Amino acid sequence: NAGVTQTPKFQVLKTGQSMTLQCAQDMNHNSMYWYRQDPGMGLRLIYYSASEGTTDKGEVPNGYNVSRLNKREFSLRLESAAPSQTSVYFCASSSKWQETQYFGPGTRLLVL
Amino acid sequence: AQSVTQPDIHITVSEGASLELRCNYSYGATPYLFWYVQSPGQGLQLLLKYFSGDTLVQGIKGFEAEFKRSQSSFNLRKPSVHWSDAAEYFCAHHSGGGADGLTFGKGTHLIIQP
Repeated sequence: NAGVTQTPKFQVLKTGQSMTLQCAQDMNHNSMYWYRQDPGMGLRLIYYSASEGTTDKGEVPNGYNVSRLNKREFSLRLESAAPSQTSVYFCASSSKWQETQYFGPGTRLLVL
Repeated sequence: AQSVTQPDIHITVSEGASLELRCNYSYGATPYLFWYVQSPGQGLQLLLKYFSGDTLVQGIKGFEAEFKRSQSSFNLRKPSVHWSDAAEYFCAHHSGGGADGLTFGKGTHLIIQP
């Protein structure tokens, strides 16, 4: 039982490049989330998926897209990376929105 | 808009001393409240949560927190800290209004002095 896994762990991009961050959970959770963490800012919600087949914007969605591929997987895509997207990205999941969110280990992204 | 305030950016405590980390939230209804801990380079681990009922909740690693509606607070406490408690601590809440994510405070960095 791996919990929430994220790939890659680290990534360096040049401005304008695209990439997809992958997230998978093996806890049969319905809800999944993407957050970004910046120094002194705490975690901010980018997008979430309340259940398979649905996605919604969070607090800071600009520059990102998401796909809830199936119940297990929730990917985050940067179509044209910008230096302002340098951050640590965390995926989380919960059985339902009222319940505890479990976090992955994070992806550290540097955009040059 | 929902907000969570952790007034202390850094706190330094001697090993063996007691600890209290402050958290205030701004939302009218009873929120769902959480404390998470993050060790360097790691993801977030849940310490404890409050949804309803007894306002004093016990968590892992000897932590507890008390919900005070009148003060809109959910402070985290530990009677005696260990060097391994050095980490970043985040308070978070969910409004209970729908299937969206958590609102996090900016975190408190805990330093343990020998």
